[in-house]
Amino acid sequence: QENLVQSGAEVKKPGSSVKVSCKASGGTSPNYSFHWVRQVPGQGFEWIGGVIPILTTTSYAQKFQDRVTITADVSTKTSHMDLSRLTSEDTAIYYCARGSAYQEILTAFRYWGQGTLVTVSS
Amino acid sequence: EIVMTQSPATLSVSPGERVTLSCRASQSVNSDLAWYQQKPGQAPRLLIYGASTRASGIPARFSGSGSGTDFTLTISSLQSEDFAVYYCHHYNKWPHFGGGTKVEIK
Repeated sequence: QENLVQSGAEVKKPGSSVKVSCKASGGTSPNYSFHWVRQVPGQGFEWIGGVIPILTTTSYAQKFQDRVTITADVSTKTSHMDLSRLTSEDTAIYYCARGSAYQEILTAFRYWGQGTLVTVSS
Repeated sequence: EIVMTQSPATLSVSPGERVTLSCRASQSVNSDLAWYQQKPGQAPRLLIYGASTRASGIPARFSGSGSGTDFTLTISSLQSEDFAVYYCHHYNKWPHFGGGTKVEIK
């Protein structure tokens, strides 16, 4: 069983950036991907991107490709998502999740963090 | 982009009933399909991956079927703790989630 703990809620101004972290514990392996997914409260999910820590392989959704960076640190078992040029449409709950397949980016998400609310408001 | 469409949007069910949820892909995703359950204020929980494989710890009343473009999640006998929103998710090429089906008490 793996536990993912995310950093706390953020309030940001339009045009700024936000960095959200996700720390894994409990039997975690660097061979399994971290992913970032967001959910506007009351709505569905949107995949942002993912990384395989041991390979440093990343993949991003086309929509976010020019303003998101996802990293993973093998030694600290932590992933970070950095999203820039924020607008009000980026207000959402951001979840990190771990992939279920060995060294695969395209995978189901077995474990999820508790979510981080990012609010973008002037 | 492969788009996932779930139906119905809402299902009103009595405890003990059999429930069937549908998820359709705009083009084939092979068996690269997962189902999740989400309750209010909680993160999603993985139920099914590979279209039909139950995740660890998931009760046997949950089953998944299908391949290609048409998929089904079946709950054989709905329990009180199963009232939630269910999402399908394909991970063939660019991942995409369906809009969800809310299973509510009749």
